[in-house]
Amino acid sequence: GQSLEQPSEVTAVEGAIVQINCTYQTSGFYGLSWYQQHDGGAPTFLSYNALDGLEETGRFSSFLSRSDSYGYLLLQELQMKDSASYFCAVRSSGGYQKVTFGTGTKLQVIP
Amino acid sequence: DSGVTQTPKHLITATGQRVTLRCSPRSGDLSVYWYQQSLDQGLQFLIQYYNGEERAKGNILERFSAQQFPDLHSELNLSSLELGDSALYFCASSPGRASGTGELFFGEGSRLTVL
Repeated sequence: GQSLEQPSEVTAVEGAIVQINCTYQTSGFYGLSWYQQHDGGAPTFLSYNALDGLEETGRFSSFLSRSDSYGYLLLQELQMKDSASYFCAVRSSGGYQKVTFGTGTKLQVIP
Repeated sequence: DSGVTQTPKHLITATGQRVTLRCSPRSGDLSVYWYQQSLDQGLQFLIQYYNGEERAKGNILERFSAQQFPDLHSELNLSSLELGDSALYFCASSPGRASGTGELFFGEGSRLTVL
């Protein structure tokens, strides 16, 4: 099966940089995605890594190391609106593009 | 607006009852996923359909069942409801192709409260 681990909570200061780590175990790995979810809202897609390396999208970057089964999401120039839960998700070939989510990291941005 | 529609948005029912949650995927998406999210918990994968066929099953209880219809909308049926079934149920859709990012587009969820 699949399993993903993330820290449960992270607190960071407005304007700072924060990194949220994700380790995973899976078979038939396709790629690692990141989603953001504000309280009571729907998860929204942030980024995707299929190959090793860094992908940058504005203030957000995501990194993947397939050999280490590890990835992270980097948020720069933190804003108060970035306070949310962040989920990593593994896309695997099991069941044709099955997507399994991690436990989620609750990020609190403080002034 | 993700383009994924879920109904109802809120549902309150009693233990032992049966409910049906409905999902209309984005236009053109063939894959539909169902996830359960209990309070302050992660997204638990329940089941996935692709073009009408079941493709993957997660830790879905035997009391729960789902199907995807020819018009690609999907329904999740929850029966013999228990207090612990109270949760936010999300539907998501994707094109289902192997290429691309595999981005899932989520509906706003159906909040089920079992009393």
